[in-house]
Amino acid sequence: AQSVTQLDSHVSVSEGTPVLLRCNYSSSYSPSLFWYVQHPNKGLQLLLKYTSAATLVKGINGFEAEFKKSETSFHLTKPSAHMSDAAEYFCVVIPSGSARQLTFGSGTQLTVLP
Amino acid sequence: NAGVTQTPKFRVLKTGQSMTLLCAQDMNHEYMYWYRQDPGMGLRLIHYSVGEGTTAKGEVPDGYNVSRLKKQNFLLGLESAAPSQTSVYFCASTSDYGYIFGSGTRLTVV
Repeated sequence: AQSVTQLDSHVSVSEGTPVLLRCNYSSSYSPSLFWYVQHPNKGLQLLLKYTSAATLVKGINGFEAEFKKSETSFHLTKPSAHMSDAAEYFCVVIPSGSARQLTFGSGTQLTVLP
Repeated sequence: NAGVTQTPKFRVLKTGQSMTLLCAQDMNHEYMYWYRQDPGMGLRLIHYSVGEGTTAKGEVPDGYNVSRLKKQNFLLGLESAAPSQTSVYFCASTSDYGYIFGSGTRLTVV
């Protein structure tokens, strides 16, 4: 079954420094991949999605992700972290042959230090 | 306003009690899902529906039942609640344009 692995359960950065949240996927072909963000005690918000149109995907709030088929990766980046970026981030895939259900990674908690 | 509405938002149950969580969407979506979120495990799919009158099991269906009698509503039932079902439950629906999540139901079973 297709899945995603988030390589870090916690990431801590200083405000103004770059953010890198790592995600690897398992798939024999190009899947549909997403990044969602969840702020404390809030629901889920879509940051960006990859559906094979372009390998570099730009999302909201300055985030972007690059699909690398050779590395089966879909890492999320942001050039400069802001305090408001502190949240939990989920890498998500739609498995092939599924009823469009999303399969979530275990999440990465991002802490932004002043 | 268009969206996915979950009721209730919070609930505390005693072990063995039953309850139903309601998910309602007004976007005419065919596909609807119930997930549970536990720390360090992301969201896991409980049950889903691909249309009115249809339901199917997801990754963690044990202890839950669902019904989709009307297209706009997807109900999640716990017949006999257990402490292991303490979690935050999210409903979602989708069309060809994207997924919409509800704001969640925080359930505690004591």
